[in-house]
Amino acid sequence: KNEVEQSPQNLTAQEGEFITINCSYSVGISALHWLQQHPGGGIVSLFMLSSGKKKHGRLIATINIQEKHSSLHITASHPRDSAVYICAVSPNTDKLIFGTGTRLQVFP
Amino acid sequence: AAGVIQSPRHLIKEKRETATLKCYPIPRHDTVYWYQQGPGQDPQFLISFYEKMQSDKGSIPDRFSAQQFSDYHSELNMSSLELGDSALYFCASSLVNNEQFFGPGTRLTVL
Repeated sequence: KNEVEQSPQNLTAQEGEFITINCSYSVGISALHWLQQHPGGGIVSLFMLSSGKKKHGRLIATINIQEKHSSLHITASHPRDSAVYICAVSPNTDKLIFGTGTRLQVFP
Repeated sequence: AAGVIQSPRHLIKEKRETATLKCYPIPRHDTVYWYQQGPGQDPQFLISFYEKMQSDKGSIPDRFSAQQFSDYHSELNMSSLELGDSALYFCASSLVNNEQFFGPGTRLTVL
């Protein structure tokens, strides 16, 4: 069993839809990260969370430390949001343990 | 704003050759991480450095070595390359315990 699990693995949506990606982890962590990886391979850090909720534009990330669960929400999705979204955790050290990613496709 | 720089962006090597990947962190960042992402796989942590000292080690083969220099840039040296070493190698930098910023990656192909 992976230490970081994401669901769903694949997600398709129509432009404008509200999207939720879930992440569950089984290890103690100091922080949880949401990352975005585009087809070219580059990785962009979206959020780093240790508690509560963060918002950046149309993206919202929440974390429940007690339940070891985090969600990434995208409001008013757009085709340019199409990418792989990766949940990664820092298990009390700085290194990241990555989830398997969620491949999102948003169609016009 | 300056980002993490990796060079080269693409590298093609033959089996048993050596390769050196370079990473230039964001100015004033004191920590560098190396990750390996095989085709269709999740990135895997290889090694990290804080203030020029190795701070953590992951699944890095003995054929690989890395170091961080006085100007904080880091190099990943890979010897006796194998076909399975073909992957995207990411470097990330941060201030310790803070958000990691990723470079664009070096795509290594071993033929």
